[in-house]
Parts: sequence; structure tokens; C-alpha cells
Amino acid sequence: GQQVMQIPQYQHVQEGEDFTTYCNSSTTLSNIQWYKQRPGGHPVFLIQLVKSGEVKKQKRLTFQFGEAKKNSSLHITATQTTDVGTYFCAGRTSGSRLTFGEGTQLTVNP
Amino acid sequence: DTEVTQTPKHLVMGMTNKKSLKCEQHMGHRAMYWYKQKAKKPPELMFVYSYEKLSINESVPSRFSPECPNSSLLNLHLHALQPEDSALYLCASSRIQGNTEAFFGQGTRLTVV
Repeated sequence: GQQVMQIPQYQHVQEGEDFTTYCNSSTTLSNIQWYKQRPGGHPVFLIQLVKSGEVKKQKRLTFQFGEAKKNSSLHITATQTTDVGTYFCAGRTSGSRLTFGEGTQLTVNP
Repeated sequence: DTEVTQTPKHLVMGMTNKKSLKCEQHMGHRAMYWYKQKAKKPPELMFVYSYEKLSINESVPSRFSPECPNSSLLNLHLHALQPEDSALYLCASSRIQGNTEAFFGQGTRLTVV
């Protein structure tokens, strides 16, 4: 079955440092979504990437979709304490299922 | 209104109890989902309803029974659960089933004793 691997599992940074999380799929994806879940909260949609090689930016967040549509990354520039949470990628194949990666838990030390 | 509302927020039930989780959205979404999330793990898909019809059942045990009474409501009926079923149960909706963003509710934290 489809697998989506995400690394690292945990990341601790000092406020102001950059952060990157990576996703790799065992199969080609039709699209990939990114979600953020704050501690004690629920997943909140951040973005969807559809096109090969696509790059999208939201303020300090940069999202990339690989050329082969099997990998993706989320990069946060100059982290802030409000960035704390677990970031999940979720990949979709041509079927309807969305498969979540294991998530990267980000902590930011002020 | 971009909210998915779930009730109750917390639920403690015995293994012989019957209870129901409720989910409601008024965004006109025609796909609704149940996910189970254990601590420090990603959400795991349980069921998908598309246009009020069950579209996907991820081989979920029959002690979990979903119901979609109308396009705005989704229920999850629970019966004879086991302690290992304790988890956060998340409802989500999307405009249609497929390539659209999912809006998650705040979840029901279920403890089976």
C-alpha cells in the first residue's frame, strides 16, 4: 500500500533558526497537502501542491513538490514560538485516500 | 462558517456501553470523514462518506458504526469498545471527496475503561 515517510520525527530549534521537514512517498502522488497540529489541537490545513516542481510561499513558510511528485518539503524561515506544533504531510494517489506522514514535532526555544 | 463541530469534546465509556459521537458542518461540503488519532501519531482514516453514501471503510471493526443522516451531519456509533480504542476521534469534511482541503473538527477525546 501507499506509504508516506516524513523526517525528522522531532526538531528542536532556537527562535530565529530555520526549520525543514521532508516527505517521501513510495508511489507517485496526484497531490500533497500539509497540515499543522498545535499541541492539544486538531490538524489545520496549510496548503495543497499539485504540479510537478511546484513551489508555494506563505509568509515565512515555503512548500515544494518534487519533480517526480514523490517528495515534498516544508521550510520555515526564522522560526517563532507560534510555529510550535506537529507538521504533517498528507499524500494522495489517484485514488481518494489521503495518507498522512508520521509528522514532525517542532519545538521552538525562545 | 468554516467550522466542523464535534460533540462531545471528551467521553469516558465502559466496555459495555453504547455511545455516539456527533459531527456537524454547514459549509455545504459533500464529503465527510472519520479519523482516529493516537498520541504522537498521524490521523488514521476510518470512514469516508461522499454525498451521504459510505464510500470508504478502512476495515474498521464493526464495534464502530458510522451514519450520515444528511449532508451536514455525521455520527459514529460506538458499542462494546476495548481500552485500545481510546484515542482522539476526528471528524473532517471537504467540498468533495478527492483533491480538496479537509477541515477538521476539534475532535472527541475518548477513553474506554
